[in-house]
Amino acid sequence: DTEVTQTPKHLVMGMTNKKSLKCEQHMGHRAMYWYKQKAKKPPELMFVYSYEKLSINESVPSRFSPECPNSSLLNLHLHALQPEDSALYLCASSQVLRVGANVLTFGAGSRLTVL
Amino acid sequence: GQQLNQSPQSMFIQEGEDVSMNCTSSSIFNTWLWYKQDPGEGPVLLIALYKAGELTSNGRLTAQFGITRKDSFLNISASIPSDVGIYFCAGQGTSYDKVIFGPGTSLSVIP
Repeated sequence: DTEVTQTPKHLVMGMTNKKSLKCEQHMGHRAMYWYKQKAKKPPELMFVYSYEKLSINESVPSRFSPECPNSSLLNLHLHALQPEDSALYLCASSQVLRVGANVLTFGAGSRLTVL
Repeated sequence: GQQLNQSPQSMFIQEGEDVSMNCTSSSIFNTWLWYKQDPGEGPVLLIALYKAGELTSNGRLTAQFGITRKDSFLNISASIPSDVGIYFCAGQGTSYDKVIFGPGTSLSVIP
């Protein structure tokens, strides 16, 4: 099994809603990532978990709250989002988090629209 | 911080033509990765490079890790319509655990 599965594929939410994005991998990878991607732009790193602990937070606003319940699952909880948060949210994983040699496997993404 | 530049920004080519794109950095990288992204999908890894001078092929794709460790190129031979998409280079520096992405090269193939 060599894939990262993200749900839902599409999500539309109002600015007062609370929703969650989910990501799952069964490759035994111990590092998991959330990226945000706007149209025609490269992915931008948001969070990295290593061995289920938050390792990197790229100064992301608190309305985005990550969670890593176990080594296979990664969630992104969303609350009080703004329309400019509409984007493709990508989950990725790598074997471990290490300097100089992380090969990321990406999921298909969750397309988020905030009204 | 570390930054990657990709060129060209976009390309329009005839089916069957060869394609070449490259990625440069002002600092040394330990790993170079090439990804392709189709609209509405996540990036898919094409080739990973780990050593300076390394030349690696994956079907019609060939990529090289520059000898200075500050650049990499990707070649696609005999392009076909399904090669359409955005190609991103990505890399990691020598003392850096984050993977950073270049701005991408958009490829269009005219049948």
